[in-house]
Amino acid sequence: KQEVTQIPAALSVPEGENLVLNCSFTDSAIYNLQWFRQDPGKGLTSLLLIQSSQREQTSGRLNASLDKSSGRSTLYIAASQPGDSATYLCAVSRSGGGADGLTFGKGTHLIIQP
Amino acid sequence: NAGVTQTPKFQVLKTGQSMTLQCAQDMNHNSMYWYRQDPGMGLRLIYYSASEGTTDKGEVPNGYNVSRLNKREFSLRLESAAPSQTSVYFCATQRVANTGELFFGEGSRLTVL
Repeated sequence: KQEVTQIPAALSVPEGENLVLNCSFTDSAIYNLQWFRQDPGKGLTSLLLIQSSQREQTSGRLNASLDKSSGRSTLYIAASQPGDSATYLCAVSRSGGGADGLTFGKGTHLIIQP
Repeated sequence: NAGVTQTPKFQVLKTGQSMTLQCAQDMNHNSMYWYRQDPGMGLRLIYYSASEGTTDKGEVPNGYNVSRLNKREFSLRLESAAPSQTSVYFCATQRVANTGELFFGEGSRLTVL
């Protein structure tokens, strides 16, 4: 059974720092990997989707990388801002979705100090 | 453009009561999902629907039923609520199953006493 682990579980950094969130998964036979953001009391917002054939995706200050063979992904946030404070979740899919769904990590709770 | 709308946002039930969580999307997506999110457990798939009239069980379907009567709406029913079903429930959509990106509603917070 696929397991997804996110380290660290919580992180607090001063504004302006660059930071890296880590995600690891046990079964490298994935279709894609997705990073989400969740604000308190809200739903999940998709940030980046990386197909299994890709190595990275970028959106603004966010860059996600994927090393499928080692079962790892990182989310790099450049020049962090207080508005980046949220919980970040990664999820892997074996078949793109469907009844297999996505397997989620438990998230990294990020606080950016002003 | 509302995206994915869930109702109700909050609900308190007594053990044994029944209720239906509603999800509606205006994104013209084919696939729809129901997840539950619990502290320390992450998100887990309850049911999935690839299209109108079709549903499949996910990881934790026991105690739930679903209905996909049309493309827009996917409902989740608790026939006899139990305290173990206290959770935050999320509906999500996906254009087709293999494009990957999921779009979530804001959640329905259910407490069963």
